[in-house]
Amino acid sequence: EAGVTQFPSHSVIEKGQTVTLRCDPISGHDNLYWYRRVMGKEIKFLLHFVKESKQDESGMPNNRFLAERTGGTYSTLKVQPAELEDSGVYFCASSQTRDSYEQYFGPGTRLTVT
Amino acid sequence: AQKVTQAQTEISVVEKEDVTLDCVYETRDTTYYLFWYKQPPSGELVFLIRRNSFDEQNEISGRYSWNFQKSTSSFNFTITASQVVDSAVYFCALSFMNRDDKIIFGKGTRLHILP
Repeated sequence: EAGVTQFPSHSVIEKGQTVTLRCDPISGHDNLYWYRRVMGKEIKFLLHFVKESKQDESGMPNNRFLAERTGGTYSTLKVQPAELEDSGVYFCASSQTRDSYEQYFGPGTRLTVT
Repeated sequence: AQKVTQAQTEISVVEKEDVTLDCVYETRDTTYYLFWYKQPPSGELVFLIRRNSFDEQNEISGRYSWNFQKSTSSFNFTITASQVVDSAVYFCALSFMNRDDKIIFGKGTRLHILP
């Protein structure tokens, strides 16, 4: 069974540009989560989808971040326009049930904003 | 406040030494989960263990062991006879039963095992 996949693995963009990160959850997992780790800090929750609906987006830092999950399969996280402080590693996780025990994490996307 | 503190930012030990990674958590919830994750140089987060708040038994898995003490709100992780492959960033984390699903992570401890 394939795990959670994320694309790209690394992205380098200039301040002011737009970047879109993609997450493909494990097949059949209705719950999809985005987290990010800014350098030297803790991994922080961004948002949670149940199928295509946003269940909790309390961790989204500001309106430059837009997450979508059309069709309830893969999800995208767009940052527009990117700022220097957006640099970090963005993790996606998925789970079949609403139980944080079963969250399976992807390899992360390292975003560098210069 | 819900919080996980990993006071050790970075640790270096020589191979075959034992090393303990500290984790202290804060929560007012009485039902919760505690986790440890490993992030090797390749970047992915690897699940190591979950304990629930009802179960204070210590756990051993090969060279890894975990000490859960509710009295001190600690969930420490010990690697015995460390190996170079243990070099990674280790995250302690907390989540809550029957509530939202978010996992609250500590800042991580970077562990260097020197050959």
